Amino acid sequence: QVQLQESGPGLVKPSETLSLTCTVSNDSISNYYWTWIRQPPGKGLEWIGYIYYSGNTNYNPSLKSRVTISVDTSKNQFSLKLSSVTAADTAVYYCARQLIFWGQGTLVTVSS
Amino acid sequence: DIVMTQTPLSLSVTPGQPASISCKSSQSLLHSDGKTYLYWYLQKPGQPPQLLIYEVSNRFSGVPDRFSGSGSGTDFTLKISRVEAEDVGVYYCMQSIQLPPTFGQGTRLEIK
Repeated sequence: QVQLQESGPGLVKPSETLSLTCTVSNDSISNYYWTWIRQPPGKGLEWIGYIYYSGNTNYNPSLKSRVTISVDTSKNQFSLKLSSVTAADTAVYYCARQLIFWGQGTLVTVSS
Repeated sequence: DIVMTQTPLSLSVTPGQPASISCKSSQSLLHSDGKTYLYWYLQKPGQPPQLLIYEVSNRFSGVPDRFSGSGSGTDFTLKISRVEAEDVGVYYCMQSIQLPPTFGQGTRLEIK
C-alpha cells in the first residue's frame, strides 16, 4: 500500500518561507494527483493544493499568491513552499495521494 | 467556495447504540457525470483523517459495514449502526465537486 512521509523544519520564522517535502513509497508518483492539506491545532482541515506528475497544479485561492507545489519524479517526491508565513500558518501539514491515502502529518510552528 | 455544515458538532454514544451525523452543502454535489462528490472521513486522536465513505455511500476498502452513508443533492448522512469504542474521533464530510475541496467543521464522537 502507498506510504507518504512529510519532512521539513518544524519551526519557521515569521515572514520566511515554509518548505516541506513528501516522500512517496510503494507507488509511483507518475500517477494520480498529489495533495497538500493543513490543520491548525485543534481546528479543521484546509486543502492547500495539488500537483499532477506532469507538473499541472491547482491551488486554494485563499493561499494561491503564497503557495508553490512542485514534483520530483526522479526522487518520487513532491514539495510545498509557502511564503511570507505568519502565526496563522501554524498547523499540521499533511501530504496525500488524492485525498485517499494520507501521511502522518508534520507540525510546523511559525514563531520567532 | 462550497460551505459544508455538519450537525451535531459533538455526539456522546453508548457502545452498541447507533449514531448519525448530518452534512449539508451550500450547493448541489451532483455532477453532470452522474456522481455525487461527497466523502466522509474519521480522524482518530493523533492520526491523519482516514477515508470511510466515498461518493455518498461507497465504503472504502476495509471499512466495517456498520458504517453507511446516504443522501443526495445537498443533504447527506453518515450512520453508524452500532458504535464501538474504536469509533471515537472527529468525523468530517468533504466535497470535491468544485475546487477547492472543502470540509465540514467536524463532529466529535465520544463514548459514554
